[in-house]
Amino acid sequence: SSELTQDPAVSVALGQTVRITCQGDSLRSYYASWYQQKPGQAPVLVIYGKNNRPSGIPDRFSGSSSGNTASLTITGAQAEDEADYYCNSRDSSGTGVFGGGTKLTVL
Amino acid sequence: EVQLVESGGVVVQPGGSLRLSCAASGFTFDDYAMHWVRQAPGKGLEWVSLISWDGGSTYYADSVKGRFTISRDNSKNSLYLQMNSLRAEDTALYYCAKDIAPFYSGSYQYYFDYWGQGTLVTVSS
Repeated sequence: SSELTQDPAVSVALGQTVRITCQGDSLRSYYASWYQQKPGQAPVLVIYGKNNRPSGIPDRFSGSSSGNTASLTITGAQAEDEADYYCNSRDSSGTGVFGGGTKLTVL
Repeated sequence: EVQLVESGGVVVQPGGSLRLSCAASGFTFDDYAMHWVRQAPGKGLEWVSLISWDGGSTYYADSVKGRFTISRDNSKNSLYLQMNSLRAEDTALYYCAKDIAPFYSGSYQYYFDYWGQGTLVTVSS
């Protein structure tokens, strides 16, 4: 089965830009999706596909991909962006996979 | 408004069985593949299983293959997860999630645009 690797924790100063990365072989074939999860809440889809945002997601969230690495960028991070972020993809056998998650702290 | 409401989570002994349900509303249920995703206490997300829009195709994580069975009843707008031979490591909050791509897109995307609030399964003696 495939694996996705994320940094466990990242911090950013309020109003600055932060990039959260996700690495895995499956990302060479499939785009990732990204989820924001706040304590006690269900995950929320923030980015999917090449760089698509669901309705209601602020445009400070963007996605990109190169080789085996997918990235989620938050441009002008806000206090409310402090959360856990998970990447997700699939492999050719139809198995889904999540990264281990990145805890984002906004300073 | 799309709603997914899970139920069926309880405390069960190791080796026991349990059936989770997810009631869907607010969208054309049989147009979309559905997933189960779980989260152990204090841990990350783990994809568990996928079922196609018509129930004809299913996929499982290696950790549950042979023990869990996903199914759906489109006449009842409901998704299920039959869990057998439960282990302590199956203890988690179980979410049902909707795939973003309708059947006429031609494939499952594994992008989860709506989630329920989860139902807690505890495997303990």
